[in-house]
Amino acid sequence: NAGVTQTPKFRVLKTGQSMTLLCAQDMNHEYMYWYRQDPGMGLRLIHYSVGEGTTAKGEVPDGYNVSRLKKQNFLLGLESAAPSQTSVYFCASRIHQGGRPETQYFGPGTRLLVL
Amino acid sequence: RKEVEQDPGPFNVPEGATVAFNCTYSNSASQSFFWYRQDCRKEPKLLMSVYSSGNEDGRFTAQLNRASQYISLLIRDSKLSDSATYLCVVNRRPGNTPLVFGKGTRLSVIA
Repeated sequence: NAGVTQTPKFRVLKTGQSMTLLCAQDMNHEYMYWYRQDPGMGLRLIHYSVGEGTTAKGEVPDGYNVSRLKKQNFLLGLESAAPSQTSVYFCASRIHQGGRPETQYFGPGTRLLVL
Repeated sequence: RKEVEQDPGPFNVPEGATVAFNCTYSNSASQSFFWYRQDCRKEPKLLMSVYSSGNEDGRFTAQLNRASQYISLLIRDSKLSDSATYLCVVNRRPGNTPLVFGKGTRLSVIA
């Protein structure tokens, strides 16, 4: 049981390049989330999904797109990276029913540097 | 006003000390409350839930004051391994509403 995994762990991009961050969970969780964490800012929600095929905007969605084509995967895309998107990105998931709502499991994070 | 506010610290305490963190939340309709722990360069992990009557888990005690809308975490007999950032987390209501995270309070326990 791997829990929540993220790919890649670290990436350097040039301004204007695009990339996709992959989040995968093997716990059959309904809900999945993408956060970014910057010094002094705490965790900020980018986008989230309450089930396969559904997505919703969080607190800071601009410049990002997401897709949830399969229940176990949640992809975060940067179409044209900007230096302001340099951050640590965390994916998380939690169960919908039958579990403790607060037990939200996080992936190990992806460190992204945009030059 | 931020939905969840915490003193950012850092709190620098000697081993064996007792340290307390407070957190305030703005939404009076909030239903569930938690403390998460985040080690340096790692992901956040659930430390404990906070129940209305207060609850204890070993050296850790969590309290909730709904009237004043604040939550506290008390750590007794601090260990070096307690050094981390402690995040106050609020669930506005059951269901698919995302959890709201505070910015965290940093604790350094010094030998």
